[in-house]
Amino acid sequence: ETGVTQTPRHLVMGMTNKKSLKCEQHLGHNAMYWYKQSAKKPLELMFVYSLEERVENNSVPSRFSPECPNSSHLFLHLHTLQPEDSALYLCASSSGVGGGETQYFGPGTRLLVL
Amino acid sequence: GIQVEQSPPDLILQEGANSTLRCNFSDSVNNLQWFHQNPWGQLINLFYIPSGTKQNGRLSATTVATERYSLLYISSSQTTDSGVYFCAVEMRFGAGTRLTVKP
Repeated sequence: ETGVTQTPRHLVMGMTNKKSLKCEQHLGHNAMYWYKQSAKKPLELMFVYSLEERVENNSVPSRFSPECPNSSHLFLHLHTLQPEDSALYLCASSSGVGGGETQYFGPGTRLLVL
Repeated sequence: GIQVEQSPPDLILQEGANSTLRCNFSDSVNNLQWFHQNPWGQLINLFYIPSGTKQNGRLSATTVATERYSLLYISSSQTTDSGVYFCAVEMRFGAGTRLTVKP
């Protein structure tokens, strides 16, 4: 138990569906992250939020839309995904983004796009 | 962006053996972490170590920032050490080392 929870743990969706992934951290942290982990590829940093402001967006397609309503919650809204978007989506949090920060990861959401 | 390379990509050990995993990076760092990912996908932070040496039980890590590498040492390996070990530099992850410890 790392103090970071993610729901759902598993998700199957069609290419025309709209779904959302949820992440919640109980650590009092100010920074939250979304990563994508595909088979046989390194974890890819998708988005970084600090104090609810997006500070990094690594050329992620617009079919992925993040939302950070407060420092404890992070969402990833999904629409019109492609089969190649099937992956493990990991959320993490840290006390800040300025350096000297240890990240704590949630258990991930395994997404399958049919 | 910063490049992170890990070696070896795969490692198979007999229980009780020692091992060294390496992480090379392309730029100066303020943040370097080592993680273990278990077979169920959970990532656990092992060390935050942008420089110097730290030890935690059978694990230790050393980062030589001036030479842009970090090492993770696992001593007296156990089957529960199996999984993938990742080095993350400035929140960017290497490809990992997949460790299998056989009984």
